[in-house]
Amino acid sequence: ELKVEQNPLFLSMQEGKNYTIYCNYSTTSDRLYWYRQDPGKSLESLFVLLSNGAVKQEGRLMASLDTKARLSTLHITAAVHDLSATYFCAVGGSQGNLIFGKGTKLSVKP
Amino acid sequence: SAVISQKPSRDICQRGTSLTIQCQVDSQVTMMFWYRQQPGQSLTLIATANQGSEATYESGFVIDKFPISRPNLTFSTLTVSNMSPEDSSIYLCSVKGLYQETQYFGPGTRLLVL
Repeated sequence: ELKVEQNPLFLSMQEGKNYTIYCNYSTTSDRLYWYRQDPGKSLESLFVLLSNGAVKQEGRLMASLDTKARLSTLHITAAVHDLSATYFCAVGGSQGNLIFGKGTKLSVKP
Repeated sequence: SAVISQKPSRDICQRGTSLTIQCQVDSQVTMMFWYRQQPGQSLTLIATANQGSEATYESGFVIDKFPISRPNLTFSTLTVSNMSPEDSSIYLCSVKGLYQETQYFGPGTRLLVL
């Protein structure tokens, strides 16, 4: 059974600081997704990582994938308040569906 | 990207009743999924909606409780039957196109069962 573990589950950061969210998964998968969810809202796609060593960046967020270690990271650079949200990683399942981690609730404080 | 709408956006229902949620996509998609997100929790797959055939359910979800239809490539419904307070959740429709890797999510239906 494919399992996805994220850590930390809660993250309180100061503006301007850097931090990394980790996503480990238990079995081989060729697709890794990162989503953002604001309170009361749906999920917004951030990144799709499809190969070992893939790195994608958008603004202050950068995601990477190491399929050998079954690890993806979401790095936050110089955090700003607008990044406060819950971030989910998800791994592609055999049926085309997604298996989600528990999410990391990020709070960026001035 | 796909534009997905869901109806209703929210509802308050009495236990024992049923609610049908609609998911409409603005383009033909190969795959449609229904997820549940319980309060403060992550997303759990309920089932894959298959066009013209019975949905494929995940362990712990059954057709009698969550009947699903998908009459064409752009529309699906999920019914939550004989509701109890434990069914209070956000129900989300998700889609994926044939040549797309990204899965898109609808705005969700927020259900409260009293």
